[in-house]
Amino acid sequence: KNQVEQSPQSLIILEGKNCTLQCNYTVSPFSNLRWYKQDTGRGPVSLTIMTFSENTKSNGRYTATLDADTKQSSLHITASQLSDSASYICVVRGTTRGGQNFVFGPGTRLSVLP
Amino acid sequence: DVKVTQSSRYLVKRTGEKVFLECVQDMDHENMFWYRQDPGLGLRLIYFSYDVKMKEKGDIPEGYSVSREKKERFSLILESASTNQTSMYLCASSSGGGTGELFFGEGSRLTVL
Repeated sequence: KNQVEQSPQSLIILEGKNCTLQCNYTVSPFSNLRWYKQDTGRGPVSLTIMTFSENTKSNGRYTATLDADTKQSSLHITASQLSDSASYICVVRGTTRGGQNFVFGPGTRLSVLP
Repeated sequence: DVKVTQSSRYLVKRTGEKVFLECVQDMDHENMFWYRQDPGLGLRLIYFSYDVKMKEKGDIPEGYSVSREKKERFSLILESASTNQTSMYLCASSSGGGTGELFFGEGSRLTVL
């Protein structure tokens, strides 16, 4: 069964500190993996996309990695800010047709405290 | 800026009422989706549409129906709302090709009393 797992479930850090969120998946065949940020009460917004051939990609203070062999991805946030407080959702897209080729992780809830 | 607009951010309905949630996208996307999001469960697919008048059931279609009469508009219908349908509903759209980024609306929080 295609699944996406994320850890930790929640995380609290102090402003200015770094953190890393993890995503493991079993989706096959694989097309791409996206990390989304969802602010409380808002819709998710894409942060970065990883395809099969990409190992690392940065978007400002966000750096995503992908290991397609072990089917693991991470999202590293550097020098956290209060505005980083949100849920981060890992979404893996398969190559089959249909709406269910997007498989969602349960999300990691990040709280950044002053 | 690309945009997915959901008609209502917050709704309160009574058990048994008919509920319409509307979603409009301005990106000429072929694909549109309705998800519900509950704490601890993540996003679950209710229905998916890949073209006008075409629809496919998702993981949890029971108690819901959809309508897509125009390419830009995708409606979710709760024929007879129940308390277990209290949730956040998210509409999304994506193009048929490319990397398939999902663009989400702001969500509609429905409370059924």
